[in-house]
Amino acid sequence: DADVTQTPRNRITKTGKRIMLECSQTKGHDRMYWYRQDPGLGLRLIYYSFDVKDINKGEISDGYSVSRQAQAKFSLSLESAIPNQTALYFCATGGQQNQPQHFGDGTRLSIL
Amino acid sequence: EDQVTQSPEALRLQEGESSSLNCSYTVSGLRGLFWYRQDPGKGPEFLFTLYSAGEEKEKERLKATLTKKESFLHITAPKPEDSATYLCAVQGGGSYIPTFGRGTSLIVHP
Repeated sequence: DADVTQTPRNRITKTGKRIMLECSQTKGHDRMYWYRQDPGLGLRLIYYSFDVKDINKGEISDGYSVSRQAQAKFSLSLESAIPNQTALYFCATGGQQNQPQHFGDGTRLSIL
Repeated sequence: EDQVTQSPEALRLQEGESSSLNCSYTVSGLRGLFWYRQDPGKGPEFLFTLYSAGEEKEKERLKATLTKKESFLHITAPKPEDSATYLCAVQGGGSYIPTFGRGTSLIVHP
């Protein structure tokens, strides 16, 4: 089983819809992150959480919200989706004490 | 602000043709430099961490090196299965979050 699981893997939806992407991890890490990846722009941080009670905005948080339901679960919501939010979304864990991050396999989101 | 620049953006090699990928960085107090491999449709997969100038790490055909300004990922006698995007990230003393470069897309032709 994967250490970091993202659902759904693919999603096509329409402008204005509310969407939730979910992430769960079995590594026991406190830190969790949401990134989006666009061609030519690399990984950009949306939100991150260092523990269940800690939520922080990343560089591109506008239009997104998150919820840390438990140590193992971190969900990303798009309240009213717009086409320029079409991208690959990755959840990651780890990164504490200068250790590497561990990524899920991503959600490919298309907003029409 | 930490910065990471990877070059080249894309690299095409013939099988067996060795080469290097570059990751130049500016950071206040390097805590760690990370290399990841990303296959199409997958998340980045951790390869190496380097912590101080002069350090080297090896795994199969890959060798990562580190100076105070840059890191190289050397690929010796690459095979088609080495084709992927390679990402570099740094974590500095002034940030809790690693900064990623935009990656180098490597294609190895048989």
